Amino acid sequence: GAVVSQHPSWVICKSGTSVKIECRSLDFQATTMFWYRQFPKQSLMLMATSNEGSKATYEQGVEKDKFLINHASLTLSTLTVTSAHPEDSSFYICSARDLTGIQETQYFGPGTRLLVL
Amino acid sequence: DAKTTQPNSMESNEEEPVHLPCNHSTISGTDYIHWYRQLPSQGPEYVIHGLTSNVNNRMASLAIAEDRKSSTLILHRATLRDAAVYYCILRDEGQTGANNLFFGTGTRLTVIP
Repeated sequence: GAVVSQHPSWVICKSGTSVKIECRSLDFQATTMFWYRQFPKQSLMLMATSNEGSKATYEQGVEKDKFLINHASLTLSTLTVTSAHPEDSSFYICSARDLTGIQETQYFGPGTRLLVL
Repeated sequence: DAKTTQPNSMESNEEEPVHLPCNHSTISGTDYIHWYRQLPSQGPEYVIHGLTSNVNNRMASLAIAEDRKSSTLILHRATLRDAAVYYCILRDEGQTGANNLFFGTGTRLTVIP
């Protein structure tokens, strides 16, 4: 199947700093990418849908000014957690949709674990 | 989003078949049934998906009820590496580009050596 990468795989930062997470589709072009967040022992929660060349669509309750999403190319989307606080510590997972097949298949990255001290 | 219901957890002995059930009584005609699994500390992995007919691939089989209100993911021979949380998700393929995958709580599969 298609490959989606994330960088970094884990990050520790001080409270108040900003952290950028990159998501790349390695062998296909993705006009749409998704960002999820997962807290311990919970399921994945969709945060936002990122469309290449346009503004992201955020789910209810997700602050767009805090979680900045940029999807500047067909293979790269970035999520920036601005002014991170300990409650933002979580497992962030991106996903990209491969439209080249007969039916769309969504592939997930390995996740980025963020710890805010 | 159409809702799915799965048991919280299941156990299986190694090298035995596993049948993971999913109920989706409110499924619509254009909803595809997707299965993903998530191993510890990893992103979800695509397993299989289908619409009406049963589907087979190298990872698993998907059996879909005739009325489409339920489905079963079948792992033919469970291995220790199959221990994961399995998610059954409905996605409306009739809205290309606009529909997303929304995850429920899934079934945590434990494989006993």
